[in-house]
Amino acid sequence: GAVVSQHPSRVICKSGTSVKIECRSLDFQATTMFWYRQFPKQSLMLMATSNEGSKATYEQGVEKDKFLINHASLTLSTLTVTSAHPEDSSFYICSALRVHEQYFGPGTRLTVT
Amino acid sequence: AQSVSQHNHHVILSEAASLELGCNYSYGGTVNLFWYVQYPGQHLQLLLKYFSGDPLVKGIKGFEAEFIKSKFSFNLRKPSVQWSDTAEYFCAVTLGGSSNTGKLIFGQGTTLQVKP
Repeated sequence: GAVVSQHPSRVICKSGTSVKIECRSLDFQATTMFWYRQFPKQSLMLMATSNEGSKATYEQGVEKDKFLINHASLTLSTLTVTSAHPEDSSFYICSALRVHEQYFGPGTRLTVT
Repeated sequence: AQSVSQHNHHVILSEAASLELGCNYSYGGTVNLFWYVQYPGQHLQLLLKYFSGDPLVKGIKGFEAEFIKSKFSFNLRKPSVQWSDTAEYFCAVTLGGSSNTGKLIFGQGTTLQVKP
């Protein structure tokens, strides 16, 4: 149990467009989900904590107007990268919190051209 | 601020060699400790975790880790590595008890390369 999915797994978009990434907990409900960004050969950087029914909490240095997070249900959180630029190209990973443990999605590779 | 430090950034071993990856954290209170593995092209998987009880924790694939509270350490070990253990390893911590928000603090990661 405790499976988390992400969609899409890969996306290529043009500079200036917006991209939405979905994170779903498939077999459990998650009040809290997390969004991370991972650069090649580096650790995961927490971007924000997504709470169902309330506003996301962003980490210092993360632009909340650029990375819009919506956690509309107990099984779905979305991250929208608005007006994407090449520097936003990265691997985005979500996780869902169940009791005291996070379960990770497979990640989404975003490439902005 | 709380932090997690992994001492080895890149480790190269031959098959059958023993492995120990260091992890230290900085927080004086109760913590929950995790080791995750990320195989090439795959998502993060939990190897093992420590919340309380026996400080020697056994995980999947023959890995184990020992929590030494006095040293603020949670080192990962495996007696005999295999080529398939080639991956990125991350140590992570959450604050325990009433301070627990579920938020993970990750170490920098260690790249393990096992030569056949």
